[in-house]
Amino acid sequence: GENVEQHPSTLSVQEGDSAVIKCTYSDSASNYFPWYKQELGKRPQLIIDIRSNVGEKKDQRIAVTLNKTAKHFSLHITETQPEDSAVYFCAASTNFGNEKLTFGTGTRLTIIP
Amino acid sequence: EAGVAQSPRYKIIEKRQSVAFWCNPISGHATLYWYQQILGQGPKLLIQFQNNGVVDDSQLPKDRFSAERLKGVDSTLKIQPAKLEDSAVYLCASSFGYSGTQYFGPGTRLLVL
Repeated sequence: GENVEQHPSTLSVQEGDSAVIKCTYSDSASNYFPWYKQELGKRPQLIIDIRSNVGEKKDQRIAVTLNKTAKHFSLHITETQPEDSAVYFCAASTNFGNEKLTFGTGTRLTIIP
Repeated sequence: EAGVAQSPRYKIIEKRQSVAFWCNPISGHATLYWYQQILGQGPKLLIQFQNNGVVDDSQLPKDRFSAERLKGVDSTLKIQPAKLEDSAVYLCASSFGYSGTQYFGPGTRLLVL
């Protein structure tokens, strides 16, 4: 089955700096890669996703890049703000997300004011 | 649009007792998922329904866990008997047809003593 590894497990950055979280996946059939943000005690919320037919997607301060050959994808957050502090999970799925999501282990991002 | 609803939000039981969780997906969403999230880990799929049929239950501990989705809308997840290691947050998610995006409910936090 699919295996998703996520690094780093914790990340602290100064407010205004950029943050990068990286994930690798094992199943070459995976073609959908969402990123979820989870604040303490709350539900995971989708912040951005990418399908295997594109290499990069951007939404304001958030971008995701995908390298299918290397089987890795990354989340980039620019101009970080205190409200970006949360746990971020990457995930992978086949059938463009219509099958189970296999999640990474999470990255706890702390923005230092 | 109303989100995924779950109840109860919290439950404390003793080991060997039984417990049930309820989920109401977003209206019109044919696919429903139950995930288990152990503290400090990413969610792990327990079971996936497409309408009222099971698509994937390969990671469901069938000796103690059961789930149903009558009429293809609401779903219940039951644990009987509960073990200490079942302490976790149980998340329900739903998605519409083949769009792939999974929306999560607030979860039920279960503590087994």
